[in-house]
Amino acid sequence: NAGVMQNPRHLVRRRGQEARLRCSPMKGHSHVYWYRQLPEEGLKFMVYLQKENIIDESGMPKERFSAEFPKEGPSILRIQQVVRGDSAAYFCASSPATGDTEAFFGQGTRLTVV
Amino acid sequence: AQSVSQHNHHVILSEAASLELGCNYSYGGTVNLFWYVQYPGQHLQLLLKYFSGDPLVKGIKGFEAEFIKSKFSFNLRKPSVQWSDTAEYFCAVNARGNNRLAFGKGNQVVVIP
Repeated sequence: NAGVMQNPRHLVRRRGQEARLRCSPMKGHSHVYWYRQLPEEGLKFMVYLQKENIIDESGMPKERFSAEFPKEGPSILRIQQVVRGDSAAYFCASSPATGDTEAFFGQGTRLTVV
Repeated sequence: AQSVSQHNHHVILSEAASLELGCNYSYGGTVNLFWYVQYPGQHLQLLLKYFSGDPLVKGIKGFEAEFIKSKFSFNLRKPSVQWSDTAEYFCAVNARGNNRLAFGKGNQVVVIP
C-alpha cells in the first residue's frame, strides 16, 4: 500500500560504510516490521517494533544491524560496516495493531554494496 | 517457527490459461494465511487472506484460495489469467495472534499475450 513510505528506494554503499534505511508507517499504524529479501529467496523477518520499543528482534543478525522506531519520526534500520552479503531488498510493513490484522508493505529499499 | 513452501518458482502461461500456485506450510497451531502479489517495480499487495470461516477465500482480481487444514495447504487459483497478472506471488503465514510473517520463496509468473 502506497501509505507505507520507504526511502531511499535504491542505496549504494561501499564495503565498510553505514546504511540507514527509513520507513514511515501508514497513518495510525504503530507497529512496524522489517523484512529482508535476498536474491531468489522469500522475505525473511528481521525485527518487529512498536513506538520506542523493540518487540521481537529474533530475525536480526547479531552484529552490525540495529533498528529503532522513535516516538517521533520514521523507523530506521541501520547497518554498520556493510559487506557484500548485505546486498538485498529491505521491506518495511506496518499494521494498526497486533493480533489478526494484515500488514501493509512499502516499496522496499534495494541496497547494493560495492 | 512456521515455514512455507512454494514450488515451481517460475511459471509461464498463455493468456486465458488457468493458474494454480501451491503453498504448504508447517506449523502445529492455528494460523492466518495470506497471498501477496508484487508487480514489477511495485510494493507487495495483499491478494487475499484467511483468518477463519469459509476455507474458500475470494480475493481481488479474480483470485481465490482454498485452505485445506488436513493438508496444511493454501493454494492460489485463477481460472483465466491476463497479461497483467505477470508478477511474483508470495504465500505467507503467521501464527494466530502474532503478526510476524513467514514467507515462501515466491512464484515468478509470466503471462504471455
